Amino acid sequence: DVKVTQSSRYLVKRTGEKVFLECVQDMDHENMFWYRQDPGLGLRLIYFSYDVKMKEKGDIPEGYSVSREKKERFSLILESASTNQTSMYLCASSQGATGELFFGEGSRLTVL
Amino acid sequence: AQSVTQLGSHVSVSEGALVLLRCNYSSSVPPYLFWYVQYPNQGLQLLLKYTSAATLVKGINGFEAEFKKSETSFHLTKPSAHMSDAAEYFCAVTMNSGYSTLTFGKGTMLLVSP
Repeated sequence: DVKVTQSSRYLVKRTGEKVFLECVQDMDHENMFWYRQDPGLGLRLIYFSYDVKMKEKGDIPEGYSVSREKKERFSLILESASTNQTSMYLCASSQGATGELFFGEGSRLTVL
Repeated sequence: AQSVTQLGSHVSVSEGALVLLRCNYSSSVPPYLFWYVQYPNQGLQLLLKYTSAATLVKGINGFEAEFKKSETSFHLTKPSAHMSDAAEYFCAVTMNSGYSTLTFGKGTMLLVSP
C-alpha cells in the first residue's frame, strides 16, 4: 500500500519557536508538496519540490522554508512560529508532471 | 493561470437522494481535473480524475463526474447518498501542458441525514 507519513499528527508550539514538520513517502515519487488547509480557504500550496535539493515556492511561501535532502523526505520549517500559522498542514507526493497526489493524514499545528 | 470554483460550501441531502456537487474551472490550456474526498481527521484521497479521455469519468464509491468543456464544469454526482458519504469534497485542476501544480477549490462539505 502506498504511504505518505507525517511525523506528528498534533503539535502545540509557542510563538517564536522553530517548528519542523517531517514527511516521508515510500513510493519513490519525484514530486513532493506542502499544503496548508484552513476552513473556508481550501488547500493552499506552500512549497513543492520536483527533485532532491530542488524547491519551488507555491502560493503562500512567506514565513516557511523547506528541505529535501533525500528523495523520500520533505521537511517544512517554520523559522519563528506565529499565531497565524495555526493550521492543518498536509504533505503530498506524486509522480510525473500531472500525476495524482497522494496525501498524508495531516499535521495539526497550534501556535500559542 | 488556472482556478476552481466550488458552488456551495455545504450541501445537505437525505440518505438515498441524489448527490450533486458543483465545480467550475478556468484554465488557459486543456485541463486535467480531479475530485478528492477528505473524511474527518484524515488526509485527502482521490475519488476520480479526468485526463482528456472519456468525458464521463467513474470513480470509487459510486461517484462519477462529467467534463463539459462548453460549460467549463466538472460536477460530481452519485445517484443515491449513503451516510458514509458525509465528508468534505475538493475539486482540483492542473494544466495538461508541461509541469503544473494542482489548484484546489475551497471545498464542499456534504452532510447526509437519515
